[in-house]
Amino acid sequence: DAGVIQSPRHEVTEMGQEVTLRCKPISGHNSLFWYRQTMMRGLELLIYFNNNVPIDDSGMPEDRFSAKMPNASFSTLKIQPSEPRDSAVYFCASSFHSGNTIYFGEGSWLTVV
Amino acid sequence: QQQVKQSPQSLIVQKGGISIINCAYENTAFDYFPWYQQFPGKGPALLIAIRPDVSEKKEGRFTISFNKSAKQFSLHIMDSQPGDSATYFCAASIRTGTASKLTFGTGTRLQVTL
Repeated sequence: DAGVIQSPRHEVTEMGQEVTLRCKPISGHNSLFWYRQTMMRGLELLIYFNNNVPIDDSGMPEDRFSAKMPNASFSTLKIQPSEPRDSAVYFCASSFHSGNTIYFGEGSWLTVV
Repeated sequence: QQQVKQSPQSLIVQKGGISIINCAYENTAFDYFPWYQQFPGKGPALLIAIRPDVSEKKEGRFTISFNKSAKQFSLHIMDSQPGDSATYFCAASIRTGTASKLTFGTGTRLQVTL
């Protein structure tokens, strides 16, 4: 299996610009998670979906953040407008609904200048 | 509110030594405790996991010790090797009825020296 695929791997953008991060979960997995990793706060769960439906978005920091999952094989995390404090590594992860093991992608490294 | 506390923040161990990382949790509803290993530039990957109905689980050089009454669990890496140098995260999860929602500790950066 190809694993969780994220794009872009690296993005540098200017403050105020819109950023869209993309994720393709492992085929057959029906739960999808977006995490953010920073030195200060570690790994934070932003939102997770089950069967394409958002279940818990309590970790989304502000209204500037939004996430969608239009189908079982694709999800986006959007930041609009972006701010320097959004600089972090954003991980997408997926799992089976009935499973405990969560598989992470390699992350999208975002720098907002 | 940090529900999973991890220590130490960083650890240096000589090759062949034992690495020990500790975690404590608060929520007694947690029912699954995995450890993830993360190498630089990569995403975290599951290393080993335990459920609260057992006190110890061993896989090769990696052992989880679990103390339910103290709400603590730890990762022991025996015969530590330079290739074990990575960041280790403990985590805990609760089945919510739809998916397991992992809460991570803050991570321990392990360096194994020659």
